[in-house]
Parts: sequence; C-alpha cells; structure tokens
Amino acid sequence: EVQLSESGGGLVQPGGSLRLSCAVSGLTFRNYAMSWVRQAPGKGLEWVSSVNPSGGSTYYADSVQGRFTISRDNSKDTVTLQMNSLRSDDTAIYFCAKIYSGSGLDKWGQGTLVTVSS
Amino acid sequence: AIQLTQSPSSLSASVGDRVTITCRASQDIRNALAWYQQKPGKPPKFLIYDASSLESGVPSRFSGSGSGTEFTLTISSLQPEDFATYYCQQFSGYYHQLTFGGGTKVEIK
Repeated sequence: EVQLSESGGGLVQPGGSLRLSCAVSGLTFRNYAMSWVRQAPGKGLEWVSSVNPSGGSTYYADSVQGRFTISRDNSKDTVTLQMNSLRSDDTAIYFCAKIYSGSGLDKWGQGTLVTVSS
Repeated sequence: AIQLTQSPSSLSASVGDRVTITCRASQDIRNALAWYQQKPGKPPKFLIYDASSLESGVPSRFSGSGSGTEFTLTISSLQPEDFATYYCQQFSGYYHQLTFGGGTKVEIK
C-alpha cells in the first residue's frame, strides 16, 4: 500500500522559516515526480511546487517562487519543502502528493498544518 | 498562467439525481485535466485523469468529458457518499503551473 506522511508543520512567526518533510513508502519512489499542494482554512486547493523524479528540475507557483525550495532524497524516499520568509497568507494545510504520469495527483498524504502568526 | 473556472460554485441535489459540473480553461489544455473529490478534514481523492479516464476503484457513475477549454464531470446517479467538494486541475505544463479550479460544493437538497 502506498503511503505518504507529512511532518514539520507548526506555528511560526511572519518572516520565519519552516521545513516540511514527506516520507513515502509502498512504491519505487525514484520513479515518480512529487508535488506539494496547500489549502488555506476554508478555501480551495492551491498547487505550490513540483519536483521531477531525479530531483534535477523543480517548479513553483508564482506565490512562493524565491521563498520556497522543494527537494528530494531518493535514497531516503522523502521530499522536502523548505519555506522561508513566511507570510500570514502561507497559513494552510500542506499536502504532499504523487504525480501520476503527468496526468494527476493520485496519492496524497493527510497533510500538515502551517500557521504563520505573531 | 492558465486559469480554471468551475461552475457552479455550489449546488443542491438529491440522491439519485444526475449532476454535472463544468470546468473552463482560459486557454487550450488539450485533455490535460484531472478531477478530485474532497470531503471535510480529508485529502482530495483522485477521480479522473486525462479528462475522461477513470482512476482504478472509482465508481462508474463518475465520468469526465471534454477537451480544449471546456470540461465536465458527471455523476450519473448521486449517492449519499458523493456529497463533497469537487475540484478540477490542469496538467498542460506536465509538472508546472498545475492550476486548480475554485471547487464545486455538492450539498444535499
């Protein structure tokens, strides 16, 4: 069974940093692109970032470009989202998801809550 | 960036009803569209990819159609477990700018 498990969320002050991790099991991790998606309280889904299977190509939403960095460790089956210069509008549940053949996000974690507040 | 507009934003329907949700793209995305179902407190569930391909294990009452800029998700006979919020997402950029629509909440009439 494929499982994705996020960790690292919490309360952080504006301007601060946080590092989210997603541990993946039940598949050959190095074969799949991965993505982060967030959902602000009571709002819709927002794509945040993606990384290709090798980790050599990364992609970001305009709203996080230059502040967030996605990376992966194919030896540890993990994908990470480093979030810097956090703002109140970054407050959301952050989901890790597996990209299915460039056609959809077929496996999701349960999400981790990030709250940016003073 | 490509924008996706879902309509309606919410709807009320009864068990057994046929329900159709529309997703319009701001430019041609071929068939690079996925649909998800989300229930409160849960992550989204993958329903349909490539506009019309049903994900394994998803009931056949769900179907998707469309290409180019206009797409639809249809539930042929609404079941109690189908009351949820539905989102479309475009994949024309393969891994990049994977925009979501604003969502459609399906409520019980």
